[in-house]
Amino acid sequence: EAAVTQSPRSKVAVTGGKVTLSCHQTNNHDYMYWYRQDTGHGLRLIHYSYVADSTEKGDIPDGYKASRPSQENFSLILELASLSQTAVYFCASSDGDRGSNYAEQFFGPGTRLTVL
Amino acid sequence: GDSVTQKQGQVTLSEDDFLFINCTYSTTTYPTLLWYVQYLGQGPQLLLKVTTANNKGISRGFEATYDKGTTSFHLQKASVQESDSAVYFCALANTNTGKLTFGDGTVLTVKP
Repeated sequence: EAAVTQSPRSKVAVTGGKVTLSCHQTNNHDYMYWYRQDTGHGLRLIHYSYVADSTEKGDIPDGYKASRPSQENFSLILELASLSQTAVYFCASSDGDRGSNYAEQFFGPGTRLTVL
Repeated sequence: GDSVTQKQGQVTLSEDDFLFINCTYSTTTYPTLLWYVQYLGQGPQLLLKVTTANNKGISRGFEATYDKGTTSFHLQKASVQESDSAVYFCALANTNTGKLTFGDGTVLTVKP
């Protein structure tokens, strides 16, 4: 059973429109993350959360909002989608940032977003 | 801030060839260095991790090592198979924040 699921798996949006990407995890993890991956590049952290009803900014938060209504669910919201937000978005979960004892992040399958 | 450089964008090998991928890193903390593998259509999954304490990690025939003196870390495999074709990312976990910084990835293609 997939422990981190994302929906939709693919989406085409129009410039200026609102887009919501959803993530659900059954790992019972406290930490959840949103990353974007651009072709030929690594993943970059957008937002993360370590507890329900609280979110934190990652390295590239501009143009994105996040929502964590429960431990299991974490959403990424693009209020005004732009062409530059075309990318693959990955959600991940972990049971905490343990410092030197790295807590593995488990990734979902990704959502391919195309903004036209 | 933390940074990771992974210069080998594409590597093409034949089965049974030796694989070597190299990354360099910069951080002010004691890092945990990671290798993730991403198969087509999937999210990344952890392949190996190596810390300053253990210096080496081994999994599924892959070996990860790091060199503190040159702030570099390496992934190698003695004999690759076609099923190893994937994208390999090096990453650094900041031991203060737990955040990951990824390299740009190496696309490995193994020809039968």
